[in-house]
Amino acid sequence: QQPVQSPQAVILREGEDAVINCSSSKALYSVHWYRQKHGEAPVFLMILLKGGEQKGHEKISASFNEKKQQSSLYLTASQLSYSGTYFCGTPDTGTASKLTFGTGTRLQVTL
Amino acid sequence: DTGVSQDPRHKITKRGQNVTFRCDPISEHNRLYWYRQTLGQGPEFLTYFQNEAQLEKSRLLSDRFSAERPKGSFSTLEIQRTEQGDSAMYLCASSLLGSSGNTIYFGEGSWLTVV
Repeated sequence: QQPVQSPQAVILREGEDAVINCSSSKALYSVHWYRQKHGEAPVFLMILLKGGEQKGHEKISASFNEKKQQSSLYLTASQLSYSGTYFCGTPDTGTASKLTFGTGTRLQVTL
Repeated sequence: DTGVSQDPRHKITKRGQNVTFRCDPISEHNRLYWYRQTLGQGPEFLTYFQNEAQLEKSRLLSDRFSAERPKGSFSTLEIQRTEQGDSAMYLCASSLLGSSGNTIYFGEGSWLTVV
């Protein structure tokens, strides 16, 4: 089943912060975050592994709550280049399985 | 180090024609995935390979769709008798099983328009 993301869309001024949430109805083994700009392919940002290990981006952070089956992506001091649609992806069964992607969050950063 | 490459990047075809997309994964990656994405939606899983073995196919993958990865390197996705509903971006991705939580890297996608 598809993870649910919130909010669906957000508009920020440059320098503001944002939080994007990803909730799953199934147990989470890992959470993968991607950003996609219009007309382009998704670009890998970050992976959060069960047990708290986080690998990925320098300026963006994330949390992973296994009990609540949720992950949140934190964008601080947003830049214009952060604009795009953010997707979380979760493996179906164990970290080695394919990813099912969430509903997406459209982020627009303005001057 | 080259990323995942896909060809062609854009394809316009008439309804009923067959189309084939090619994907070259990152060279050391043993897993290769195909996803489909339509406007406003997240990528939808179609199928994936581990080396040359096709391990899983989505119910989205009708009989008109076939994917191959003959030598465990590049892959092709063929759509026969295309329909307008097949218009989408077809994304190929690859990963190295066992590393970094199986991080998946996408290619730039192949846009299909069926007219």
